[in-house]
Amino acid sequence: AQTVTQSQPEMSVQEAETVTLSCTYDTSESDYYLFWYKQPPSRQMILVIRQEAYKQQNATENRFSVNFQKAAKSFSLKISDSQLGDAAMYFCAYRSAISGSEKLVFGKGTKLTVNP
Amino acid sequence: ETGVTQTPRHLVMGMTNKKSLKCEQHLGHNAMYWYKQSAKKPLELMFVYSLEERVENNSVPSRFSPECPNSSHLFLHLHTLQPEDSALYLCASSQEGLRSPLHFGNGTRLTVT
Repeated sequence: AQTVTQSQPEMSVQEAETVTLSCTYDTSESDYYLFWYKQPPSRQMILVIRQEAYKQQNATENRFSVNFQKAAKSFSLKISDSQLGDAAMYFCAYRSAISGSEKLVFGKGTKLTVNP
Repeated sequence: ETGVTQTPRHLVMGMTNKKSLKCEQHLGHNAMYWYKQSAKKPLELMFVYSLEERVENNSVPSRFSPECPNSSHLFLHLHTLQPEDSALYLCASSQEGLRSPLHFGNGTRLTVT
């Protein structure tokens, strides 16, 4: 079974600075997807960024980018120019690419605080 | 209205009550999910429905009973719950087969007294 580990229960960053959230995972599959979701106090899980394992290029979405190291099974999220609205719980998630295995496996999450 | 909508937003129930959680998706997706989110624990997948058929049941106690009458609606029927069932219950949907991400609702905060 796949597992996802987020080793940082809490992180903080100064507004306008850069922060990196860590995520490692364990799988025997070669094709899969990785996601970062954000959960603000409104509770809705919002997709931040996704990465397909067969793509070597790291995904980027505006101020959000990932460092995907497939051999190391590492998938960190970098938030640049942090904003107060970035404060939230961040969850790393794994999803198999096998058809019929649509479920996400989540890590425990990292609580990000942004200080003004 | 777009996205995934869950009702009620909050629910307090006694252990002998029967209640239902409702989820509706307006995204045209064909798969729906129930997740349980407890403090200090990863989100736990409870049930998956694909094309209105239950394709996964992760050893969830029978006091939780899902129902998927059509591809847009998903229910979670609750009866004789325990205090440890208190959690945030999240519904999600996706388009199976197109490698689409899951879209989540705002969740129902359930408290069992």
